[in-house]
Amino acid sequence: AQSVTQPDIHITVSEGASLELRCNYSYGATPYLFWYVQSPGQGLQLLLKYFSGDTLVQGIKGFEAEFKRSQSSFNLRKPSVHWSDAAEYFCAVGEGSNFGNEKLTFGTGTRLTIIP
Amino acid sequence: KAGVTQTPRYLIKTRGQQVTLSCSPISGHRSVSWYQQTPGQGLQFLFEYFSETQRNKGNFPGRFSGRQFSNSRSEMNVSTLELGDSALYLCASSPKPSPGGYTFGSGTRLTVV
Repeated sequence: AQSVTQPDIHITVSEGASLELRCNYSYGATPYLFWYVQSPGQGLQLLLKYFSGDTLVQGIKGFEAEFKRSQSSFNLRKPSVHWSDAAEYFCAVGEGSNFGNEKLTFGTGTRLTIIP
Repeated sequence: KAGVTQTPRYLIKTRGQQVTLSCSPISGHRSVSWYQQTPGQGLQFLFEYFSETQRNKGNFPGRFSGRQFSNSRSEMNVSTLELGDSALYLCASSPKPSPGGYTFGSGTRLTVV
């Protein structure tokens, strides 16, 4: 079965600083990978996704992620964070290469705090 | 374009009762999935529906059930509520079954007392 590990439970960065959130996955086939963001009391918003092709994926709000098959990683990056980026971030792997089994397996999340 | 709508937003129920949560997908979306989010277990897949058929189910007891109507709206039901069922229940929709091409609603916060 697939699994997702987000080793950092909580990260604090200064506004304007760069950010990298780590994600490692375990999946037998070529993975579908996603990053979602959740603000308090809200649902999940898709930041970006990787299905195939270019391993550097651009997303919304200035985020990007790089798929590294050799490291089974899909780390999320942003060159300069804004106070509005404070939220919880979830990495997920999508299972569904066979029609009829589509679902997401999520990591435990990383809570991002921004300090002025 | 309206997003995924979940009702109600908040719900308080007593242990042993049953509850029904509703999800209206984005117009034109025919696949609806449900997820449970708790502090202890995180985000867990409940089930997925497409064209009124349950196509995939997560590892939850039979007290958790759902259905999808011909207009793609979906409901999930939890019977004999337990304290551990307190959670944020998230619904997600997509045009067709897809390994992750979902748009999520804001969720229903269920508290069991």
